[in-house]
Amino acid sequence: GAVVSQHPSWVICKSGTSVKIECRSLDFQATTMFWYRQFPKQSLMLMATSNEGSKATYEQGVEKDKFLINHASLTLSTLTVTSAHPEDSSFYICSAGDRGTSGEQYFGPGTRLTVT
Amino acid sequence: QKEVEQNSGPLSVPEGAIASLNCTYSDRGSQSFFWYRQYSGKSPELIMFIYSNGDKEDGRFTAQLNKASQYVSLLIRDSQPSDSATYLCAVNLGSNYQLIWGAGTKLIIKP
Repeated sequence: GAVVSQHPSWVICKSGTSVKIECRSLDFQATTMFWYRQFPKQSLMLMATSNEGSKATYEQGVEKDKFLINHASLTLSTLTVTSAHPEDSSFYICSAGDRGTSGEQYFGPGTRLTVT
Repeated sequence: QKEVEQNSGPLSVPEGAIASLNCTYSDRGSQSFFWYRQYSGKSPELIMFIYSNGDKEDGRFTAQLNKASQYVSLLIRDSQPSDSATYLCAVNLGSNYQLIWGAGTKLIIKP
């Protein structure tokens, strides 16, 4: 149980284009999903928290107009990186909280984004 | 500011020995405590969680929680080379599933 999928697993895009990443909870309903970014050899950095049916809450320093988050259902959240630049190249990971559990998060496998 | 601290390591342990990973947290209101393992280039995976004082065992892993001293530890018995990874400690304050993360301890198991 508690499986989270992420798609795509890797993507290469050109500078100035937009990329959408999907995060799905496969066997549970996730009222809350999280988006993280991780640069090589660095810690997880929380970008935003999204709750189903409401606007995402962004961490300080994260541009909400650049990283668009939509959590339209209890099983799907999307992150769109708009007008991507090479400095946006990173490992993006989503996680989800399972209702009725002890507050743990289950992570998707991550999406490696390379902007050329 | 709510903080979770871990020694970054690397912690080097011989194969078959016990690996001991420690984590301290600043907020006394913390309610649940989690250990995640992250292999290089992969996303974190949950190993175990604990919310009551004392020990909790799961196979070769034992989580220990001491709320009075505000620390949580993870013991790995009979360490294997496949246990080599970064171990992340995370703390939940009781609302909205949001976790406060430590920076992780890199563990190396030497054959």
